Amino acid sequence: GAVVSQHPSWVICKSGTSVKIECRSLDFQATTMFWYRQFPKQSLMLMATSNEGSKATYEQGVEKDKFLINHASLTLSTLTVTSAHPEDSSFYICSARPGTVYNEQFFGPGTRLTVL
Amino acid sequence: SQKIEQNSEALNIQEGKTATLTCNYTNYSPAYLQWYRQDPGRGPVFLLLIRENEKEKRKERLKVTFDTTLKQSLFHITASQPADSATYLCALDPSGNTPLVFGKGTRLSVIA
Repeated sequence: GAVVSQHPSWVICKSGTSVKIECRSLDFQATTMFWYRQFPKQSLMLMATSNEGSKATYEQGVEKDKFLINHASLTLSTLTVTSAHPEDSSFYICSARPGTVYNEQFFGPGTRLTVL
Repeated sequence: SQKIEQNSEALNIQEGKTATLTCNYTNYSPAYLQWYRQDPGRGPVFLLLIRENEKEKRKERLKVTFDTTLKQSLFHITASQPADSATYLCALDPSGNTPLVFGKGTRLSVIA
């Protein structure tokens, strides 16, 4: 199946710093990528939909100035958590959809962010 | 409001038995429904997709049914093994080209 990678797999940072997470589709082109966050024992919560070459669409309640998303190419999307705070600590997962309709999404392995 | 529910938060079964997980949804009319497996600290892994015109789909020891009248999907693992222990998520795409909406998942534990 299609492979999606994320980097880094985990990161620890100090409060107030910014952290960038990369999501890459390794063997297919993804016009659309999605960013989710997941708290312990909770389901995935969609944060934003990222389309190549255009602005991301954020879900209600997600601060676009805090969670900057850039989808610069058909194989790379980045999520930058700006001025991170302890409450931003979570598991961030990206996914990519090869096509536009009726296709499964392929998920990255996730990034564990801990803000001290 | 639109909801997708997985009835059991956790399910324990004996090795060799069939595990059956339930996914119900309201106020959606999805064209298809998907099932994923998630291990702790990992991203979800796609297992099966079933379309609205398919009653049943199989893949090795996995079987999924989709009843659009009941608005329910059942996910079966036959001859379960301890390695099947994981959280299983159902997901649907409300309109065919929108982000997936996930249930909260069912944590399956297969006991040897």
